[in-house]
Amino acid sequence: QVTLRESGPALVKPTQTLTLTCTFSGFSLNSNRMCVFWVRQPPGKALEWLARIDWDDDKWYSKSLKTRLTISKDTSKNQVVLTMTNMDPVDTATYYCARKGPLWNYFDYWGQGILVTVSS
Amino acid sequence: EMVMTQSPATLSVSPGERATLSCRASQYVSNNLAWYQQKPGQAPRLLIYGASTRATGIPARFSGSGSGTEFSLTISSLQSEDFAVYYCQEYNDWPPITFGQGTRLEIK
Repeated sequence: QVTLRESGPALVKPTQTLTLTCTFSGFSLNSNRMCVFWVRQPPGKALEWLARIDWDDDKWYSKSLKTRLTISKDTSKNQVVLTMTNMDPVDTATYYCARKGPLWNYFDYWGQGILVTVSS
Repeated sequence: EMVMTQSPATLSVSPGERATLSCRASQYVSNNLAWYQQKPGQAPRLLIYGASTRATGIPARFSGSGSGTEFSLTISSLQSEDFAVYYCQEYNDWPPITFGQGTRLEIK
């Protein structure tokens, strides 16, 4: 069965770089048309997509956060890593990784999420 | 820039009754729309994609309709486990994708 799980720090200081890891199972990012997204959700607010990485290593970023994000994958470990630089309190959110559906850009499987708080 | 507007923000319905949630896209999205359910402390769960196709394991009381810019999610007979926040998401013209602000479905 497909599972995804996010890991990383629960607390980061302003200006620091956040590194999150998504470890998944039940599918391969080597498979044609497979993609993994990062999506975040500030407390009590809506969802916002951040980045996507494709089976062929194409990478896509939210326009508003593009300069701060880097996404990468390690297919041997079944992991996707997201780094976000220059963290700010407004970046406090639950960060999810999610698998793109088989055909289009909806999400058929999600990790449980990790709450990251940005505070000094 | 695409904007997805969900209404109402909060919907109060009694168990056993029907609930209809709306989602409007600011631009044409064909039928490239998904619905998710999110319960407190949980990740979103895919309910509907392609505007009207139920995802695997989703009960038949959930149905989606619409095309173009106007969409709805109907829950035919509310069960206690259905009270949650519901989000719509368009995926018509990647990139980007856009989520709505959510509708909270609460017990009346």
